[in-house]
Amino acid sequence: QSVLTQPPSVSGAPGQRVTISCTGSSANIGAGYDVQWYQQLPGTAPKLLIYGNNNRPSGVPDRFSGSKSGTSASLAITGLQAEDEADYYCQSYDSSLSGSVFGGGTKLTVL
Amino acid sequence: QLQLQESGPGLVKPSETLSLICTVSGGSVTSSSYYWGWIRQPPGKGLDWIGTIYSSESTYYNPSLRSRVSISVDTSKNQFSLKLTSVTAADTAVYYCARSPGVKAGFDPWGQGTLVTVSS
Repeated sequence: QSVLTQPPSVSGAPGQRVTISCTGSSANIGAGYDVQWYQQLPGTAPKLLIYGNNNRPSGVPDRFSGSKSGTSASLAITGLQAEDEADYYCQSYDSSLSGSVFGGGTKLTVL
Repeated sequence: QLQLQESGPGLVKPSETLSLICTVSGGSVTSSSYYWGWIRQPPGKGLDWIGTIYSSESTYYNPSLRSRVSISVDTSKNQFSLKLTSVTAADTAVYYCARSPGVKAGFDPWGQGTLVTVSS
């Protein structure tokens, strides 16, 4: 069981908006630690998509956005494209474990 | 542009020690601005943080692996390494190295990853 909880899968049609949730606790997200999001295309290494809850690295389209509230965070993807089909992971720091923790991952299917 | 590359044996026998190296190019492992980490991903499963090191001074390990893991830095070769002792089939995974701006921050960039299989 992952410390951060994500839905196993989400789906949407091209052009639609989807959101992926990441639920933690008072030891991680709720404690104010930053949340990062990663995109992992099939057969490749994870790529940083969002850092510091809602910041995009250079080169990441503004179709991707992050938010955080309480003990949860969300990744929103607007204008879905076929190339967005991938696994998405959230990550934060956990004070009880004194280290990084990841969500279990969410598989996004573009219908 | 910073690049990381994992290397090491792709097959390790049960009870033996897994040893991997991450070679850093386009940057220095001695940079005071960055930490260096290892993350693994069992086949078909999610990401699992193994540990992080800062400039040979401080190490941070996943509590579930702490008794078996060691991360170190070789400044002369601009590399950092991972050692995991007493491996079992449960340690079979793709192992990634990555850079981080802090122990409580994210990881970017990542190496391409290397598959290590534990089997006799």
